[in-house]
Amino acid sequence: SYELTQPPSASVSPGQTARITCSGDALPKQYTYWYQQRPGQAPVLLIYKDTERPSGIPERFTGSSSGTTATLTIGGVQAEDEADYYCQSAINSTSSRVFGGGTKLT
Amino acid sequence: EVRLVQSGSEVKEPGTTIRVSCKVSGYTFGDHYIHWVQQAPGKGLEWVGLIDPEDSKTIYAEKFQGRVTIFADTTTRTVYMELKSLTYDDTAVYYCAADGAPPLLGATLAHWGQGTLVTVSS
Repeated sequence: SYELTQPPSASVSPGQTARITCSGDALPKQYTYWYQQRPGQAPVLLIYKDTERPSGIPERFTGSSSGTTATLTIGGVQAEDEADYYCQSAINSTSSRVFGGGTKLT
Repeated sequence: EVRLVQSGSEVKEPGTTIRVSCKVSGYTFGDHYIHWVQQAPGKGLEWVGLIDPEDSKTIYAEKFQGRVTIFADTTTRTVYMELKSLTYDDTAVYYCAADGAPPLLGATLAHWGQGTLVTVSS
């Protein structure tokens, strides 16, 4: 079955830049979406269609995609950014979706 | 404002069926897919399936095919997820999520419900 692969964890100091990757064979043809989930809360959409940022999401969150890898970059990480981050994409050209395993940012 | 409000926590015995509801407001009900996502304790997000409320077309993840049914009531703007033959592994928080209404058109799983905890216990 199709999978999206994320590193299970990432660690960064406040003020530094964090980069979280998401790899999948279909990503060259499918958009990637990114979500932030804090403990005990529902996920929140951070990035859609690879690079678009919803209103209200800080500009320090940016998305990019190249080939089979999409990347979420958090510039100037703040303490409140400590959370789990998930990528999501379509399974080929179907409407079925898949999530990456998640990355815990410390 | 788009809102998805889910039903409350439930405890069910193994082998039984759970039905979780998700009431939608803030946009035209039939315009956007509604998805269900499972999150077991301490685990990641797992896509369960979706429904197009306009025509009730559904797509289910392979893992849940045959055990899950998603349906919609257009009169009450509510989407339901039924999961049958529950096992302890089905203990999880279940989220509903809607694809993006303007200005988030084209964004899948853009708006999320608060989650419903389902505990399978004898």
